[in-house]
Order: sequence, then structure tokens, then C-alpha cells
Amino acid sequence: DSGVTQTPKHLITATGQRVTLRCSPRSGDLSVYWYQQSLDQGLQFLIQYYNGEERAKGNILERFSAQQFPDLHSELNLSSLELGDSALYFCASSVGSQGTNEQFFGPGTRLTVL
Amino acid sequence: GQNIDQPTEMTATEGAIVQINCTYQTSGFNGLFWYQQHAGEAPTFLSYNVLDGLEEKGRFSSFLSRSKGYSYLLLKELQMKDSASYLCAIEEDYGQNFVFGPGTRLSVLP
Repeated sequence: DSGVTQTPKHLITATGQRVTLRCSPRSGDLSVYWYQQSLDQGLQFLIQYYNGEERAKGNILERFSAQQFPDLHSELNLSSLELGDSALYFCASSVGSQGTNEQFFGPGTRLTVL
Repeated sequence: GQNIDQPTEMTATEGAIVQINCTYQTSGFNGLFWYQQHAGEAPTFLSYNVLDGLEEKGRFSSFLSRSKGYSYLLLKELQMKDSASYLCAIEEDYGQNFVFGPGTRLSVLP
């Protein structure tokens, strides 16, 4: 157990819908990262927040957005869902903002878009 | 641009040594990670290299050559539980992006 929690574990929804994925980092960690893993694209970095502020942005679609709250938990919002958004979404956390800090991954949320 | 290459699959025998290579092309290189991912589970951190050379951590070692755009992960005294995918990842654009390779699926046979 990494200490990072994600809810829900599984989510099934329809195209065009909007969902929110939630992540609670390890106690004491200030950074939260979001990743998408699909069979055809592998693991892709979406976005990083550090202490409530956006720090780095990867291949995140405009239909997706995220935020980190004062209690440091984070939410990833996915809207206008498409079939291709079906994937495993991981959240990770680390103590600091730099890459030298080990990232601890949560168990993931499996999203299925029908 | 970004491009990371790893062998798709490797097979080795329990107790042996295996080397998983990773080559990359990137801009603004900041560091290189190796992660282990068992099927259906989350990735777990193995190593981080920012300077050239070898970093040793128990049975696992990771090597980096920035001038050659090359890294390898060395696994010694292989155990059955080492059967997993191994992901090479680059921190690039001076820490503004993380790019993962396709992963190498390692099978350890008895």
C-alpha cells in the first residue's frame, strides 16, 4: 500500500458524460500527479500540482481539468467523454515538486466509456 | 520532441542477471526514472538517475549516459516475483513534462 488513495476504483459511464476522479496523497506529500494508461498509448503524464498550484502540464486534453484543494487532495474532471477516454487513471504523490522526489502511485481508477 | 525505446519483451531464468535497455531522444533532459509495474497494479518507483553513471540499490542497478541518450536497468539474482513490466521514463523540459517508454515485459522462468 503506497498510502495514496483513489476513488472510485471503477467507473462506467456513457459518451458525452462528465466524471470526477478523486485522489488523496500520502500524508505530508505536497505534489500530486495525474497519469492516464491505456493499452495503445501506454502511461501518459497529464498534469502536476504542487501545494495547490499547477506546476507542470503534459498531454492533457482541453476536455480534462484538474485542481488541488487546500487539504491537498486532488480531483481530475473529464468531460464530453469519448470511447477513447477509456483507460486506467493513476494519481501519484511526492514530497516535493522536483523529479528527484520519488512518486508513489495510487491503485488507479478504471474508467470505461460505453 | 520525445522518443523512448525499450525492448517489448524479455525472458530470463530465475537466479540470472538481466539488463533492460532504454534509449531516448528528448529536449531539456532533467532526469530518468525506472518503474516496475505488475499486471493490473500501479507502477512502483525503482530508481532515478540525473548524473552519468551507475546507481545501485540492492539487486537493482540503473545506469545513465546523457551524451548517448542511453540507460539500462540491471536486475541481479532474478526471482519469480520480478516478472513484471519495467518502464523507463524521462523528466524533460526542465521538469515540466514526464514521458514514459512503452515498457519491457520481463518473464522470469524457473
